Amino acid sequence: AQRVTQPEKLLSVFKGAPVELKCNYSYSGSPELFWYVQYSRQRLQLLLRHISRESIKGFTADLNKGETSFHLKKPFAQEEDSAMYYCALESDNAGNMLTFGGGTRLMVKP
Amino acid sequence: EADIYQTPRYLVIGTGKKITLECSQTMGHDKMYWYQQDPGMELHLIHYSYGVNSTEKGDLSSESTVSRIRTEHFPLTLESARPSHTSQYLCASSEWGNQPQHFGDGTRLSIL
Repeated sequence: AQRVTQPEKLLSVFKGAPVELKCNYSYSGSPELFWYVQYSRQRLQLLLRHISRESIKGFTADLNKGETSFHLKKPFAQEEDSAMYYCALESDNAGNMLTFGGGTRLMVKP
Repeated sequence: EADIYQTPRYLVIGTGKKITLECSQTMGHDKMYWYQQDPGMELHLIHYSYGVNSTEKGDLSSESTVSRIRTEHFPLTLESARPSHTSQYLCASSEWGNQPQHFGDGTRLSIL
């Protein structure tokens, strides 16, 4: 069975500092990985997916199959990045089913 | 505007009542999902559907039931609510293929 682990419940950084939100997964197949974000009083929404290999709002994430990780990074955090971040894995069998991690709350202090 | 809607946003109700949480989407998506999320915890898939007349149970066992009579509508029902059902319920939909899921605002359910 697949599993997604986000080891940090809370990550607090100062504005302008680099940020890395950790995500590790366990899955025997070929995973697709996503980062979803939920800003205060807003819906959960897709931030980025590994297959797109793009940078969204300055965030990037690289899939490391050797370390089974998909950490989310941003070189210079902004206050508006404060939100709840969820890593999710989509299995390659039927269904488009997502398994979510427990989430990390990012707080960017001024 | 194409969107996904959940009603009610909040519901506080007594034990033993029958509850239906509504979820509708106007995006024409075939796939729909229900997740349960306790405060500060991960989302757990409890039900999903591939299309009309298709319903499947998710990873987390739930006493709730769902139906999919119309493409746009995916209601979740609890026949007899209990305090253990207190949680947030999130509905989502997606297109076929490896497409991202679009989430509703959620329903915060409190059973007294």
